[in-house]
Amino acid sequence: GDSVTQMEGPVTLSEEAFLTINCTYTATGYPSLFWYVQYPGEGLQLLLKATKADDKGSNKGFEATYRKETTSFHLEKGSVQVSDSAVYFCALLSNAGNNRKLIWGLGTSLAVNP
Amino acid sequence: DTGVSQDPRHKITKRGQNVTFRCDPISEHNRLYWYRQTLGQGPEFLTYFQNEAQLEKSRLLSDRFSAERPKGSFSTLEIQRTEQGDSAMYLCASIPLRAGKYSDTQYFGPGTRLTVL
Repeated sequence: GDSVTQMEGPVTLSEEAFLTINCTYTATGYPSLFWYVQYPGEGLQLLLKATKADDKGSNKGFEATYRKETTSFHLEKGSVQVSDSAVYFCALLSNAGNNRKLIWGLGTSLAVNP
Repeated sequence: DTGVSQDPRHKITKRGQNVTFRCDPISEHNRLYWYRQTLGQGPEFLTYFQNEAQLEKSRLLSDRFSAERPKGSFSTLEIQRTEQGDSAMYLCASIPLRAGKYSDTQYFGPGTRLTVL
């Protein structure tokens, strides 16, 4: 079945450091890919998404490119801030079938120190 | 949009007790999803509704779990005879139908954290 493999955390960085969180997927067909973020004490929020190969999703300085050839959707940010401390989840939405349920990675905890 | 709301935010119960959670989706969102998230894991799909119809249930949803969406608006998730393994965050999400197609972006509530002692 469909699955998402995400880099394990926790990741600890200093402010202004470069961030990469790896995400690879297994799916039939052409899924849509997402990064969700969960700030402490809050619900899951969509960070960015890409719906087809070579699409780049971007938001709040974060970027991820849908790479079909490597089945990857790595999250990057050039300069992290303390406020980026959160748990980041990679997820896919299979376009086979109509249930629109998300398949999730395990999440990567990010702590950014001042 | 006022957002998806869930109630209660936290629930502590003793093993064997029944608990019920409520989810109010964004108004006019046709589909409503329930997920469960245990510590250190990603969310896992439990079930979803299209209006009042429950269209799919995960194998994770044992006979002790039941979900309803009687009027196609709010939904309830009940767990009977709770077990310690039921301790988790229970998440609700909703999506709208737009131009004949369901959105691929799910809008999540803050979750209900259940602790079974």
